[in-house]
Amino acid sequence: GAVVSQHPSRVICKSGTSVKIECRSLDFQATTMFWYRQFPKQSLMLMATSNEGSKATYEQGVEKDKFLINHASLTLSTLTVTSAHPEDSSFYICSAKPGTGFEDIQYFGAGTRLSVL
Amino acid sequence: AQKVTQAQTEISVVEKEDVTLDCVYETRDTTYYLFWYKQPPSGELVFLIRRNSFDEQNEISGRYSWNFQKSTSSFNFTITASQVVDSAVYFCALSEGEGGGFKTIFGAGTRLFVKA
Repeated sequence: GAVVSQHPSRVICKSGTSVKIECRSLDFQATTMFWYRQFPKQSLMLMATSNEGSKATYEQGVEKDKFLINHASLTLSTLTVTSAHPEDSSFYICSAKPGTGFEDIQYFGAGTRLSVL
Repeated sequence: AQKVTQAQTEISVVEKEDVTLDCVYETRDTTYYLFWYKQPPSGELVFLIRRNSFDEQNEISGRYSWNFQKSTSSFNFTITASQVVDSAVYFCALSEGEGGGFKTIFGAGTRLFVKA
């Protein structure tokens, strides 16, 4: 099956620093990538949809200046949490799909656990 | 509006028992897709199945089976002869076309514990 690599798997940082998370599709071209946030024992909350070569579409309530998304190529999207604070601590998951159709299967990365001290 | 309801928050069974995870959805679209994903303790969601709204045929894959009933807007997932490795959180998801903004909505998930 399709493989999505997410790096790093875990990061601990000091308050005020920025953290970059990478999401790569390893064996397919990902026209669309998604970034989710998951709180403990809760479902996935969609943060933004990222299309290659265009600006990301953010969900309501998600600060685009706080969570910078760059989909620079068909295999790579990055999420940068700028000036991270303890409330940003969470599990961030990316997913990718080979097309733009709503029927497409999303393939998920292993997630990044961010802890902001 | 889209909505996916997984009413069972946690289920605990003993190995070899059968278990059914419920999923009820709401949609006004006639064309939509339903998915099940498994999230083991490692965190990575694993795709299990996709079903489109026009295909109500039940599906079996090894110990897994799915029952799609449009009349009750349900897409239930059954694990037969459960094993400890089945312990995970299972998410049901709904994806719509233009009516839903081409987005996928996940249910709250059902945490399954399979005890040896």
